[in-house]
Amino acid sequence: QVRLLQSGTEVKKPGSSVKVSCKSSGDTFNNYLIAWVRQAPGQGLEWMGGIIPMFDTPTYAQKFQDRVTITADTSTRTVSMELISLRSEDTAVYYCARIPHHYTSGSQRPSHFDTWGQGTLVTVSS
Amino acid sequence: QSALTQPASVSGSPGQSISISCAGTSSDIGSYDLVSWYQHHSGRAPKLIIYQVTKRPSGISGRFSGSRSGNTASLTLSGLRAEDEADYYCCSYASSGTLVFGGGTKVTVL
Repeated sequence: QVRLLQSGTEVKKPGSSVKVSCKSSGDTFNNYLIAWVRQAPGQGLEWMGGIIPMFDTPTYAQKFQDRVTITADTSTRTVSMELISLRSEDTAVYYCARIPHHYTSGSQRPSHFDTWGQGTLVTVSS
Repeated sequence: QSALTQPASVSGSPGQSISISCAGTSSDIGSYDLVSWYQHHSGRAPKLIIYQVTKRPSGISGRFSGSRSGNTASLTLSGLRAEDEADYYCCSYASSGTLVFGGGTKVTVL
């Protein structure tokens, strides 16, 4: 059973940056899409972006494109998400999650989040 | 504003059945068999309960079932239990290449 273990709680000042890591316990890490999803207080789940470690090409949601960087280290089976220019609205629980692909409509496409990390609370406050 | 539209809340008595709708468009739910549903208890990670519209992961109760008609997907919970009280999110692959979520539905067991 694959597990995703995330780094711990962070408290940051507005304008600073945060980096959250996600380490996989299993060896089927490289060819899955590892994504980041966040949930702000009282809000729903929000896709931020993801990366397939073996291809090392991240994709980002348009909303975060200018502020987020997702990287992968296959030697340590770790994916990291860095968010810059933090503001109070970035206060949220950040999750990493594994996404298998499924062949449909003529192509391999991301299917669903089958394994989740435990979540990392990031608080942005002056 | 979420890409997919869910009711904010649904309630039912123990033993009853409830359904949660998830309205999308022809660019997501209507075009791909990649609809999934998640149960989210506060303070825990979300849990996959339905994937590829109708499939249940190993260990998920048969009381959970998924369906789709046109651009709208649905999750049905039958034999409602107290432990089913949680937030439920739908999700779909979209033609933009990402996965998009609904705004979430709070299920209350009366």
